[in-house]
Amino acid sequence: EPEVTQTPSHQVTQMGQEVILRCVPISNHLYFYWYRQILGQKVEFLVSFYNNEISEKSEIFDDQFSVERPDGSNFTLKIRSTKLEDSAMYFCASSPTGATYEAFFGQGTRLTVV
Amino acid sequence: KQEVTQIPAALSVPEGENLVLNCSFTDSAIYNLQWFRQDPGKGLTSLLLIQSSQREQTSGRLNASLDKSSGRSTLYIAASQPGDSATYLCAVPRDDKIIFGKGTRLHILP
Repeated sequence: EPEVTQTPSHQVTQMGQEVILRCVPISNHLYFYWYRQILGQKVEFLVSFYNNEISEKSEIFDDQFSVERPDGSNFTLKIRSTKLEDSAMYFCASSPTGATYEAFFGQGTRLTVV
Repeated sequence: KQEVTQIPAALSVPEGENLVLNCSFTDSAIYNLQWFRQDPGKGLTSLLLIQSSQREQTSGRLNASLDKSSGRSTLYIAASQPGDSATYLCAVPRDDKIIFGKGTRLHILP
């Protein structure tokens, strides 16, 4: 069964460093998303991406964040200068036709900023 | 603004019991509602998706119902097992994103 794949599963980085989280969405899906979940809190939307551009972003997704689809298969989230409060589980998701259809989530990348 | 609330926040029941998890949402104009399972420190596994035109959806021992007009959904788990212990999240789409509830943390006692 097709699945969304995220790498790495766990990343530790020093405050102020740049990190790139990687995702391979399901191959025929057109909509891609990043969500995050701070430990013990709810899953929060960060950004949605369609047709090679951001379609919606939350107030969390400030200038420190960027997304890219560098080739036909990968979808990345970059955090330019990490802060302690960026420590969270980051989930990538994809959907064939957007929010009106089922979303499929990856297993997440646990980011720890020290 | 769409808000999703799940009650209870945590639930412990003996193995074998049938149980109901509740989800409510403030804006009834939804396309669908999705239930997820999350094991500790793990990702989100989609359990059931109910389209707005449906009232129920079943998968094995799970049954989800949807009442759009009252802004409610329930997830019914029959004959609970220790392996059902996890956090259950409900989520609804809004514009081009999904809005999640905080989840119900379920513990099935052997």
